[in-house]
Amino acid sequence: DTAVSQTPKYLVTQMGNDKSIKCEQNLGHDTMYWYKQDSKKFLKIMFSYNNKELIINETVPNRFSPKSPDKAHLNLHINSLELGDSAVYFCASSHNRGSMNTEAFFGQGTRLTVV
Amino acid sequence: AQKITQTQPGMFVQEKEAVTLDCTYDTSDPSYGLFWYKQPSSGEMIFLIYQGSYDQQNATEGRYSLNFQKARKSANLVISASQLGDSAMYFCAMRGPYNTDKLIFGTGTRLQVFP
Repeated sequence: DTAVSQTPKYLVTQMGNDKSIKCEQNLGHDTMYWYKQDSKKFLKIMFSYNNKELIINETVPNRFSPKSPDKAHLNLHINSLELGDSAVYFCASSHNRGSMNTEAFFGQGTRLTVV
Repeated sequence: AQKITQTQPGMFVQEKEAVTLDCTYDTSDPSYGLFWYKQPSSGEMIFLIYQGSYDQQNATEGRYSLNFQKARKSANLVISASQLGDSAMYFCAMRGPYNTDKLIFGTGTRLQVFP
């Protein structure tokens, strides 16, 4: 009964490849996010979706394309992977969009290594 | 723009002692929410505690409490009776009224608890 689950947990791939990370939440939340954590542990928002609609695109290169088939799923597809894309990617979800007191629940993270 | 600052890259504390992790924030919004998350070495992000800007009392959750000083724009996390399992990265985050769709994170503090 994992709340926010993302797969795979580890992903090692070569430069130039295309890869996807999947995320699913069973909390009934209406908002989902992708965050990137760099090698210095800094967490930065990439995308936010509310009820399948893109709300935030935080100046992410268009090689990154999120897709939300329904409000419980938010997948991240990355084209033409570059060395600088190596990071940990976190999916998260929360409810009550527009409310400041709602915490985000995070998945386990996907450690992407581009070689 | 909203910003979170955590000035302590690393902290050490002896088991059973209390420790304070600093967090200051910058926002011109009158209402906002402040959060603390823990990231153990296993990598997951665990929500610890929340403080609303209009809350009259400091938030507490078990051994965690938040020393909220609104005039100084600080929201320090206090961990009482530290345990070895408290060794982790700790992140302060904020959600504001005009950015409720994302959490903005600080750079984190690595806490190490020694016997």
